[in-house]
Amino acid sequence: EVQLVESGGGLVQPGGSLRLSCVASGFTLSDYWMYWVRQAPGEGPMWVARLNSGGGSLTYADSVKGRFTISRDNAKNTLYLQMNSLRAEDTAVYYCARIGSNSAWSPDYWGQGTLVTVSP
Amino acid sequence: QTVVTQEPSFSVSPGGAVTLTCALSSGSVSTNTYPSWHRQTPGQAPRTLIYKTNIRFSGVPDRFSGSILGDKAALTITGAQADDEADYFCSLFVGSGILFGGGTKLTVL
Repeated sequence: EVQLVESGGGLVQPGGSLRLSCVASGFTLSDYWMYWVRQAPGEGPMWVARLNSGGGSLTYADSVKGRFTISRDNAKNTLYLQMNSLRAEDTAVYYCARIGSNSAWSPDYWGQGTLVTVSP
Repeated sequence: QTVVTQEPSFSVSPGGAVTLTCALSSGSVSTNTYPSWHRQTPGQAPRTLIYKTNIRFSGVPDRFSGSILGDKAALTITGAQADDEADYFCSLFVGSGILFGGGTKLTVL
């Protein structure tokens, strides 16, 4: 059974940092492209970072470029999102999501999410 | 800036049918925008229902179907059940990535 379990969210002050983790089970992370997707309160989701299966292609939404870094530890089958210089507008639930091998960029499996709150 | 638009809310009677839509602020939705649909309930992981317009994801009952209606993507739910009450959001492939809609809150009553 495919499962994605995020952790690492919490309350952080503006300008601070957090690292989110997403442990994958039921499949090999390095075989798939992966997203970090966030959903601010009352809004639709938005992808913020994408990593290809080979690990060499990292893509970011303009709103987080230069501040967020997506990475992967193949030995731990874990995806990460390092978030620096956090802003109030980064407040959201953050999901990791697997991009289906035949789903044309759509996620097929999602984690349950971890809440990040940026506030003084 | 391109935006994906969905009805904010919809209601359906138990056993009834409902069609939710997904539109682009600029241009038409087609199979080339690879519409997908996902369901979300509070505290639960989102669940993928449909991808590439009309392909049901693993384990999704055939009460759920996807299509293109005019210039929009559509998700039709037939035989609505109480536990279909959820937020439904779509995604479209636009440019170099996907955009998600704001979601439709479906009430079954």
